[in-house]
Amino acid sequence: SYELTQPPSVSVSPGQTARITCSGDALSRRYADWYQQKSGQAPVLIIYDYNKRPSGVPARFSGSASGTLATLTIVETQVDDEADYYCYSTDMSGDHRVFGGGTKVTVL
Amino acid sequence: EVRLVESGGDVVQPGGSLRLSCVASGFTFDKFAIHWVRQAPGKGPEWICLIRGDGGDTYYAESVKGRFFISRDNNGQSVSLEMNTLGPKDTGLYFCARDITEGEKSISAPGIWGQGTQVTVSS
Repeated sequence: SYELTQPPSVSVSPGQTARITCSGDALSRRYADWYQQKSGQAPVLIIYDYNKRPSGVPARFSGSASGTLATLTIVETQVDDEADYYCYSTDMSGDHRVFGGGTKVTVL
Repeated sequence: EVRLVESGGDVVQPGGSLRLSCVASGFTFDKFAIHWVRQAPGKGPEWICLIRGDGGDTYYAESVKGRFFISRDNNGQSVSLEMNTLGPKDTGLYFCARDITEGEKSISAPGIWGQGTQVTVSS
């Protein structure tokens, strides 16, 4: 089955830039979407269709891709950005959607 | 305000069946695909299935294919998830989510989520 691979954790200092990667064979042809999940809450979509932000998501969050690697970038990271982040995409066939294993972002 | 409310979660024995419901409001229901996503305790979300806005196409994860069935009632603005032959690995919080992109045939990503309904498979 198709898999998306993320680093388990990323640490960043307040005000600095955090980058979270997501690797998958189909990402050269499929968009990656990104979710933020805080403890006890449902996931929140923050980036979709490569680099679109739903209403209300700060411009500090952006998405990019190169080859089979997608990246979520958070600039001017805030303490409130501390959360789990998941990438999401589709396999090459377009029939199956998957989430990555998640990356815990710690702001300290 | 867009709202999705799940219900039907329960404790069920292994091998049993359950039917979840997702009632939506605040948007033109038949213009959006609806996804089901589950999350086991302490784990990441797992996409399960989706149904297109016009109900014309459905897609399933391999882990549930042949056991779970998604359907929708556009007049009643609801989506159902029928789950059969349940096992302990099916335990989790089940979310329904509206797709982020409008269009009867459009599918993008789960955009707006409900708060979930708990399914526990245990003897």
